[in-house]
Amino acid sequence: GEDVEQSLFLSVREGDSSVINCTYTDSSSTYLYWYKQEPGAGLQLLTYIFSNMDMKQDQRLTVLLNKKDKHLSLRIADTQTGDSAIYFCAESPGYSSASKIIFGSGTRLSIRP
Amino acid sequence: NAGVMQNPRHLVRRRGQEARLRCSPMKGHSHVYWYRQLPEEGLKFMVYLQKENIIDESGMPKERFSAEFPKEGPSILRIQQVVRGDSAAYFCASSPPTRMDYGYTFGSGTRLTVV
Repeated sequence: GEDVEQSLFLSVREGDSSVINCTYTDSSSTYLYWYKQEPGAGLQLLTYIFSNMDMKQDQRLTVLLNKKDKHLSLRIADTQTGDSAIYFCAESPGYSSASKIIFGSGTRLSIRP
Repeated sequence: NAGVMQNPRHLVRRRGQEARLRCSPMKGHSHVYWYRQLPEEGLKFMVYLQKENIIDESGMPKERFSAEFPKEGPSILRIQQVVRGDSAAYFCASSPPTRMDYGYTFGSGTRLTVV
């Protein structure tokens, strides 16, 4: 079956790194995503990783994928107050055609001064 | 190039009324997805549609909910005889027919309140 799990809350100090973890069950997952949702807004795609990769870096964001353990993480370097949001991990089996994306419950990131 | 447009942004309905939520996908996107987000919860998949076809409705409640994506016009999510438990944010997303490396583009959602 398809299931994506992540912890519900994370609190970090401003300037520290944030690491948000996620596990998924579908071994056929092809793409894994991180989305960000700010209060009252829709979801914004932050980054994605293809299943044959184990790391992807994009400015302050680093995604690590351990396919054997079906574990995905998002690291945000130098966390700022503007990073306060809910972060959703998601997975999709689709590659050559569109398919549904399964989302985790979201991790609410809060920043301490 | 406008993004995914959802309207209305906010919708208030009394118990027993009907709610109609509209979604216009991004230009060039032929696939539409509806998700529901209950307060303080994640997104739950409801239905996936192409023009004039329902591809996957495995997340749709069996009664009162229906969705369509006609040849012309927006996709519509229809909830008949709404109950308090239907209060949620309903998000629409769209994607092109091929490739998933950029995921979906989401609309800003319709927040349904049933009173």
